[in-house]
Amino acid sequence: QKEVEQDPGPLSVPEGAIVSLNCTYSNSAFQYFMWYRQYSRKGPELLMYTYSSGNKEDGRFTAQVDKSSKYISLFIRDSQPSDSATYLCAMSAGQGGKLIFGQGTELSVKP
Amino acid sequence: DSGVTQTPKHLITATGQRVTLRCSPRSGDLSVYWYQQSLDQGLQFLIQYYNGEERAKGNILERFSAQQFPDLHSELNLSSLELGDSALYFCASSVGPFPGTGELFFGEGSRLTVL
Repeated sequence: QKEVEQDPGPLSVPEGAIVSLNCTYSNSAFQYFMWYRQYSRKGPELLMYTYSSGNKEDGRFTAQVDKSSKYISLFIRDSQPSDSATYLCAMSAGQGGKLIFGQGTELSVKP
Repeated sequence: DSGVTQTPKHLITATGQRVTLRCSPRSGDLSVYWYQQSLDQGLQFLIQYYNGEERAKGNILERFSAQQFPDLHSELNLSSLELGDSALYFCASSVGPFPGTGELFFGEGSRLTVL
């Protein structure tokens, strides 16, 4: 079993839809949770960063962490064609720990 | 532009050969990470260097090796190449030694094709 599980999709939604992307994990020591966005033929770039449990909002993006369920989510409101990319969750236990990535979910937002 | 530079962008070679991938981290970043990305395995951590020293090792094969030089650039050497080594190889850098406590900045990757 992988430490981090993420549905690879692909996920296709119409413009304006609310998108929900999710990851589950098995290592209860993870404390730092991130979402990276990767456009085609580019390297991943950090989108959201959360420490421990709770919600974090940045514009149309909301990251949620539920440590009791070992489950993290990324919500995209009013999705745009420019949001079409692969979204990778990543997590770490912190000092001394490695950063582990999920497989990535490919999202396509259709005009 | 992340500030991380990787060369070459594309590389085509034959089985059994050896290649070297090069990475220049962002100015001021002391950590360099190497990741392999394939369709079926996702982004797999290979190895991390911090200020010239190996700091963490992931799923790196014995045929692969890396180093970080005094000027902080890094090289990933892949030898006795197999078809299954075909993948995108990413370099990333960060300021500190602990991934996850800060942002990793990725280069655009080196696409390796082994024929």
